[in-house]
Amino acid sequence: GDSVTQMEGPVTLSEEAFLTINCTYTATGYPSLFWYVQYPGEGLQLLLKATKADDKGSNKGFEATYRKETTSFHLEKGSVQVSDSAVYFCALRSYSGAGSYQLTFGKGTKLSVIP
Amino acid sequence: EAQVTQNPRYLITVTGKKLTVTCSQNMNHEYMSWYRQDPGLGLRQIYYSMNVEATDKGDVPEGYKVSRKEKRNFPLILESPSPNQTSLYFCASSLVADSSYEQYFGPGTRLTVT
Repeated sequence: GDSVTQMEGPVTLSEEAFLTINCTYTATGYPSLFWYVQYPGEGLQLLLKATKADDKGSNKGFEATYRKETTSFHLEKGSVQVSDSAVYFCALRSYSGAGSYQLTFGKGTKLSVIP
Repeated sequence: EAQVTQNPRYLITVTGKKLTVTCSQNMNHEYMSWYRQDPGLGLRQIYYSMNVEATDKGDVPEGYKVSRKEKRNFPLILESPSPNQTSLYFCASSLVADSSYEQYFGPGTRLTVT
């Protein structure tokens, strides 16, 4: 079945540092890829997405490029802020048969940004 | 405001006492889903619904039931809760089931079963 592997956390960075959270996937077919963010005490929010190979998703200074050759979708941000402290989930959505599309999540990476 | 709502947000109950967690969306979405989130395991899908009267099992359906009688509502039912169902539960919806459409999540329901 489909799976998503993302780097284990927690990750602690100083403000203005560069962020990379690695994400690789295994899927049949042509999945869409997503990054969701979960702020403390809240539900998940879509951060960015890419629906085909070589697409770059971007939002709020975060970027991720859909790399089919390496089956990766790494999340990057050039300069993190304290307000970026959250748990980040990589996910893929692919066809799972009988007209259904299943969303598969990684285990999440907790990011803490210190002033 | 477009949103997914869940109730209750917090619930403490005892083993075997039936409970229902409600989920409602106001975006006219066809697809709805329930997940549970556990430390170290990420989010796992419990059940999903492609449309009214169309539900199917996800990865961890044991001990749960759902129904989809109306497009906007997708309640999660625990007929006889057990302590291993203590978890954080999220309802989500998307316009359609297509892979390119993102899911919108509710705020979560934290359930404790003693």
